[in-house]
Amino acid sequence: RKEVEQDPGPFNVPEGATVAFNCTYSNSASQSFFWYRQDCRKEPKLLMSVYSSGNEDGRFTAQLNRASQYISLLIRDSKLSDSATYLCAVRPTDSWGKLQFGAGTQVVVTP
Amino acid sequence: GAVVSQHPSRVICKSGTSVKIECRSLDFQATTMFWYRQFPKKSLMLMATSNEGSKATYEQGVEKDKFLINHASLTLSTLTVTSAHPEDSSFYICSARSGSIFGQFFGPGTRLTVL
Repeated sequence: RKEVEQDPGPFNVPEGATVAFNCTYSNSASQSFFWYRQDCRKEPKLLMSVYSSGNEDGRFTAQLNRASQYISLLIRDSKLSDSATYLCAVRPTDSWGKLQFGAGTQVVVTP
Repeated sequence: GAVVSQHPSRVICKSGTSVKIECRSLDFQATTMFWYRQFPKKSLMLMATSNEGSKATYEQGVEKDKFLINHASLTLSTLTVTSAHPEDSSFYICSARSGSIFGQFFGPGTRLTVL
């Protein structure tokens, strides 16, 4: 079993709609969680950190469910520019700052 | 803030040559830098963790004599792919973090093609 797993998608989303997807992790001792956005042939860019209480940044909402060991990302009012691959990243507790990445979930926002 | 640069952005080389990739943190001091490799439609695979002034820590399965890492200062780490082969063709990305920064920030990546 992979340590961090994501549904690869693609999630085809009409412009203006809401899309949500999850990322599961296997190490229950993991401490920090992040969502990154990666455009085709580009580097990942930090989208947001995920806090225990859940957090929101504009149209993006991240949640952490420690009991079920997953994090989620919800995008409201999708824009064409939201089309990208969304990578989740998990930092295990003993990792000296290393992150484990999922393979990403592709989101395609259509007009 | 938290800008990381990487050079070169693209390299095409012949099999058997060595290629050096530089990773710089431009506006912060990076105590730790990470080197990743990413194949098309695959996840980022961590190759090694580099701390300034000490030897890099390589992930299982990554040959340290083939992928030489030097982290000479708090703003510069280099990855040298020695005796490159076509199977080394990939997207190599570095990231950097410091104690005061939450998360990692990535360089723009280097696309290596070995002919």
